[in-house]
Amino acid sequence: GAVVSQHPSRVICKSGTSVKIECRSLDFQATTMFWYRQFPKQSLMLMATSNEGSKATYEQGVEKDKFLINHASLTLSTLTVTSAHPEDSSFYICSAKTGGTANNEQFFGPGTRLTVL
Amino acid sequence: AQKITQTQPGMFVQEKEAVTLDCTYDTSDQSYGLFWYKQPSSGEMIFLIYQGSYDEQNATEGRYSLNFQKARKSANLVISASQLGDSAMYFCAMREGRNTGNQFYFGTGTSLTVIP
Repeated sequence: GAVVSQHPSRVICKSGTSVKIECRSLDFQATTMFWYRQFPKQSLMLMATSNEGSKATYEQGVEKDKFLINHASLTLSTLTVTSAHPEDSSFYICSAKTGGTANNEQFFGPGTRLTVL
Repeated sequence: AQKITQTQPGMFVQEKEAVTLDCTYDTSDQSYGLFWYKQPSSGEMIFLIYQGSYDEQNATEGRYSLNFQKARKSANLVISASQLGDSAMYFCAMREGRNTGNQFYFGTGTSLTVIP
């Protein structure tokens, strides 16, 4: 199946700093990538939909100025958490869609665990 | 209204037994897709099985089968011959419409524990 990677897998940062998380589709081109956030023992919450070459579409309640998303190529999307605070600590997961509609699935990255001190 | 409802926060099953994880969905679209994912403690989301709204037969993938009852809007996951490695969180998800860019809606998940 298609492979999606995320980097870093874990990051610890100080409050007030910015953190960039990369999401890459390794063996396919992804015109659309999704960013999710998951708190412990909770479900995945969609933050934004990222389309290559255009601005991301953010879900209601997600601050676009705080969570900057860039989808500069068909294989790379980045999420930057700006001026991170402890409440931003969470598990961030990206997913990517292949072209076509074979079984319409998303392929998920392994996730990035962010801890803000 | 919740798009995806999973009413079982936690389930236990004896090793080698079968278990059913419940999922109901809510949509007015005629075309939609239903998915099940497994999330072990490592956090990765592992795709298990897919059912399209127009598929007449229930989807099966190895030990996984999806009991699709369209009129009842349910898409229960059946795991046969449970193994210890099946212990994980299981999420039901739905994508509405034919557009592959449409977002997924996830349920709250069911934590499955397989007992030796």
